[in-house]
Amino acid sequence: QTVVTQEPSLTVSPGGTVTLTCASSTGAVTRGYYPNWFQQKPGQPPRALIYSTNNKHSWTPARFSGSLLGGKAALTLSGVQPEDEADYYCLLYYGYSQRVFGGGTKLTVL
Amino acid sequence: QVQLQESGPGLVKPSQTLSLTCTVSGVSISSGPYCWNWIRQHTGKGLEWIGYICSSGNTYYNPTLKSRLTISVDTSKNQFSLKLISVTAADTAVYSCARDGGDSSGYYFDYWGQGTLVTVSS
Repeated sequence: QTVVTQEPSLTVSPGGTVTLTCASSTGAVTRGYYPNWFQQKPGQPPRALIYSTNNKHSWTPARFSGSLLGGKAALTLSGVQPEDEADYYCLLYYGYSQRVFGGGTKLTVL
Repeated sequence: QVQLQESGPGLVKPSQTLSLTCTVSGVSISSGPYCWNWIRQHTGKGLEWIGYICSSGNTYYNPTLKSRLTISVDTSKNQFSLKLISVTAADTAVYSCARDGGDSSGYYFDYWGQGTLVTVSS
């Protein structure tokens, strides 16, 4: 069974920068996994932020960016705002058919 | 504006069938190339992708649920549905529907429903 792994929790100070990562049990994450990133706040559905590694949706704030880093997909938040405190999930596409979510990262802004 | 809305019973008895519908507005469900997904989230836990049906009619299911799962579409109502048989308490979760598609940049999820809580209990 394919497993996608994220940091369980991270803490960042307001105005700081933080990078979340997303690893695959099958090996290095490449562009061919079309990494997607989502933000979820309590009681709300997930909101799409990044797709296909580094593409932003029209509603994605400029401080969010995606990349590949050391064999993993990465989401970087620069100039973190208090409202960025949330759970963040990555999703990877396997073979154009299966999709697998990561376990999520709880980001605390403190 | 694309919108998705889940509907269905909030309570299902163990061993019975969980049936949910996602009603899509703002776009034809048969237009492509889009796939229409079901995702669930157990309380306090992460997201679990359940499966999809695409505008082409193709389906693909999470291997861990495949033996119990059917996803279908009703284009006349612009809806797609999920049926999960032989449910147990482990199937208690918030079930959400979402759209994904592709363009020249790759593949993406964009629109999600609000989610609906389904509890499996006698």
